[in-house]
Amino acid sequence: AQTVTQSQPEMSVQEAETVTLSCTYDTSESDYYLFWYKQPPSRQMILVIRQEAYKQQNATENRFSVNFQKAAKSFSLKISDSQLGDAAMYFCAPTQGGSEKLVFGKGTKLTVNP
Amino acid sequence: KAGVTQTPRYLIKTRGQQVTLSCSPISGHRSVSWYQQTPGQGLQFLFEYFSETQRNKGNFPGRFSGRQFSNSRSEMNVSTLELGDSALYLCASSLRTANYGYTFGSGTRLTVV
Repeated sequence: AQTVTQSQPEMSVQEAETVTLSCTYDTSESDYYLFWYKQPPSRQMILVIRQEAYKQQNATENRFSVNFQKAAKSFSLKISDSQLGDAAMYFCAPTQGGSEKLVFGKGTKLTVNP
Repeated sequence: KAGVTQTPRYLIKTRGQQVTLSCSPISGHRSVSWYQQTPGQGLQFLFEYFSETQRNKGNFPGRFSGRQFSNSRSEMNVSTLELGDSALYLCASSLRTANYGYTFGSGTRLTVV
């Protein structure tokens, strides 16, 4: 079974600073997609960013960007200019099995300090 | 446009009972997936439906079942509830496949006592 490892159970960052969340995964597939989702205390999962594995260019979405290293099976999320509203659980999730499902890591709890 | 709607938001059931959870996807989304979220196991895939057909199923016992209707609305059912079924059940919809990214509902918090 595919595994997704988020090695940092908790992270904290000062408001306006930059933080990077790590994710590594194991897959035998050559074509897949990767996602970062955030889950604030309200518990609704929100899509943060999407990366297509066949694209070498790293995805960027406003203050959020990824560092995708396909050979290393690494997919980290960088949050720039952190805001209080960024505080949440962050989940890394690659697709699996013909893209019919996502496999989620255990999550990283991000705290943003004012 | 309206998001993914899950009902009810909270549910308390007794061991041995059965429960049905409902999910209305975003208009135009034909794929609906269900996940179980617990503190110990994290997010685990239950099943995925597309055009009323189950395309994929996770590693859960047969007590967990689901279906999708012609309007893409989906229900999941858990029979003979066990204490370990207490969890947040999340529904997610997508245009066609998970490649497009999911839009999640707010979840149903099920407590089995």
